[in-house]
Amino acid sequence: GDSVTQMEGPVTLSEEAFLTINCTYTATGYPSLFWYVQYPGEGLQLLLKATKADDKGSNKGFEATYRKETTSFHLEKGSVQVSDSAVYFCALSDPNTGGFKTIFGAGTRLFVKA
Amino acid sequence: GAVVSQHPSWVICKSGTSVKIECRSLDFQATTMFWYRQFPKQSLMLMATSNEGSKATYEQGVEKDKFLINHASLTLSTLTVTSAHPEDSSFYICSARDSVTYEQYFGPGTRLTVT
Repeated sequence: GDSVTQMEGPVTLSEEAFLTINCTYTATGYPSLFWYVQYPGEGLQLLLKATKADDKGSNKGFEATYRKETTSFHLEKGSVQVSDSAVYFCALSDPNTGGFKTIFGAGTRLFVKA
Repeated sequence: GAVVSQHPSWVICKSGTSVKIECRSLDFQATTMFWYRQFPKQSLMLMATSNEGSKATYEQGVEKDKFLINHASLTLSTLTVTSAHPEDSSFYICSARDSVTYEQYFGPGTRLTVT
């Protein structure tokens, strides 16, 4: 079945450092890919998404490119801030299986130090 | 933007009692809603897909008689945890899929503690 694998955390960075969180997926069809963020004590928020190969999703300085050849959707940010400290979830939604249900990766906790 | 609300945001109940959690789409209609469970510091596990006017579809390993789902209208789905036990303590999150745009929006979650 469909699955998402993302790098284990926690990831600890200093402010203004470069961030990469790796994500790879397995799907039978052509899924849409997402990154969600969960700040401490809050619910899930959609950070960015891409719906087809080579699409780049971007938001708040974060970006990720849908790479079909490597089945990857790595999250990057050029310069992180303390306020970016949160848990980041990679996810996919495959219209060919399960009626658009979203499958999540395990989550990667990010700590950014001042 | 689209908003999904959950009520209550947190609840404490005694072992053996039942608890109902509501999920509402506030400014859009949702034919389909999803219920997830999140353990501390872990990912979201899909429990079931709730379809308006029909029976929910449960994921493998989820007891449908324990987690009763009712999707009676295009804006409301409820999850009832029956005969709750301490191991049911968790963070329950719903999401609603906009019937027109197919975008999926998440609720803020409900923290259930069973004592």
